[in-house]
Amino acid sequence: DTAVSQTPKYLVTQMGNDKSIKCEQNLGHDTMYWYKQDSKKFLKIMFSYNNKELIINETVPNRFSPKSPDKAHLNLHINSLELGDSAVYFCASSQEGLPNNEQFFGPGTRLTVL
Amino acid sequence: AQSVTQLGSHVSVSEGALVLLRCNYSSSVPPYLFWYVQYPNQGLQLLLKYTTGATLVKGINGFEAEFKKSETSFHLTKPSAHMSDAAEYFCAVTSKAAGNKLTFGGGTRVLVKP
Repeated sequence: DTAVSQTPKYLVTQMGNDKSIKCEQNLGHDTMYWYKQDSKKFLKIMFSYNNKELIINETVPNRFSPKSPDKAHLNLHINSLELGDSAVYFCASSQEGLPNNEQFFGPGTRLTVL
Repeated sequence: AQSVTQLGSHVSVSEGALVLLRCNYSSSVPPYLFWYVQYPNQGLQLLLKYTTGATLVKGINGFEAEFKKSETSFHLTKPSAHMSDAAEYFCAVTSKAAGNKLTFGGGTRVLVKP
């Protein structure tokens, strides 16, 4: 009965590779997000999708490409991985229009680029 | 633009003592304010939130926070710390105008001494 799930939980890869992280939510929410948490624990939003439409696109290298096949899924594909991409990536979801805008977070994917 | 400042990246308290984590925000429109907790190697869990109405909000695990507009603050407190409170705490702000975009503070790590 996990609300927001991510796979994989850990991802170790070499520089230059391409990798994907998957996210699924079973809360019936229409908005999903990707956040990056760096080594100093600083959290910053990367993308937001509402009903499969890109809403927020922060200053993120275009090596990062989110894809939303349906409103329950938001995947993150990263091309040509660099050392600086090492971080924990969190997926989250919320329901647009609700006053509290509460976002529910997944468990995170720890990406290590060697 | 919105921003959050958490005073003190680390806080050490004795078990049974008061926990006080400071959060100041900046927002040009009425804010929605949140406190999230992150336990080691886990995702973020919502502790409490302020949207509208009562300015003193109670959350899970005995935590509460008070929204003070005049001071642009949303400090988190717990009367008596428990060992299980050791974690990273994040204050965050958003608003309708921000389109659900959560802006996080830098986090405060709480250490509880026996």
